[in-house]
Amino acid sequence: AQRVTQPEKLLSVFKGAPVELKCNYSYSGSPELFWYVQYSRQRLQLLLRHISRESIKGFTADLNKGETSFHLKKPFAQEEDSAMYYCALYYTDKLIFGTGTRLQVFP
Amino acid sequence: GAVVSQHPSRVICKSGTSVKIECRSLDFQATTMFWYRQFPKQSLMLMATSNEGSKATYEQGVEKDKFLINHASLTLSTLTVTSAHPEDSSFYICSARGGLGVNEQFFGPGTRLTVL
Repeated sequence: AQRVTQPEKLLSVFKGAPVELKCNYSYSGSPELFWYVQYSRQRLQLLLRHISRESIKGFTADLNKGETSFHLKKPFAQEEDSAMYYCALYYTDKLIFGTGTRLQVFP
Repeated sequence: GAVVSQHPSRVICKSGTSVKIECRSLDFQATTMFWYRQFPKQSLMLMATSNEGSKATYEQGVEKDKFLINHASLTLSTLTVTSAHPEDSSFYICSARGGLGVNEQFFGPGTRLTVL
């Protein structure tokens, strides 16, 4: 079955440290993957998607089909990056979400 | 950008009553809307997918007679929780797709339902 796995529930770093939020997926075809972010008391919003190969707020994510991964990275974390991050796979017209990783960036 | 609203943002009801939650796409036409449920500190669980003018498609394990979904127009979908019980207390989130990007979904702010 199609699945998205985010192994870390919580990731804590200090400001300026590199960040990598892990995401692995199980899907035999060509995946369409997204990262969504949910800041405190705000709605879920799209951060980036792999097909556009963009960098948003300093975050990037590369699709690695060999490792079936789509890890989210940022070289220098900022306090305002503290939020809940969800990796999602688009499958049969719907999004399958991972369980999410809470990123805490300490000053 | 595309905006999705939900109403009410918070509702408290007595056990046995029904509650209706509205989801609106404010500046685009949503051919498809999705309803999710989110438990505290957990991920979003898709409940159902609704396409304008047709019956909703429910995910396995979701009772369609309990969670009635209507998508009567391209800008409005409603979720009615019928005969609500305390275990239905949760955060309900809708999303909408259509018009601005093929597979991008825009999320509403969510509705906190508390059943006493």
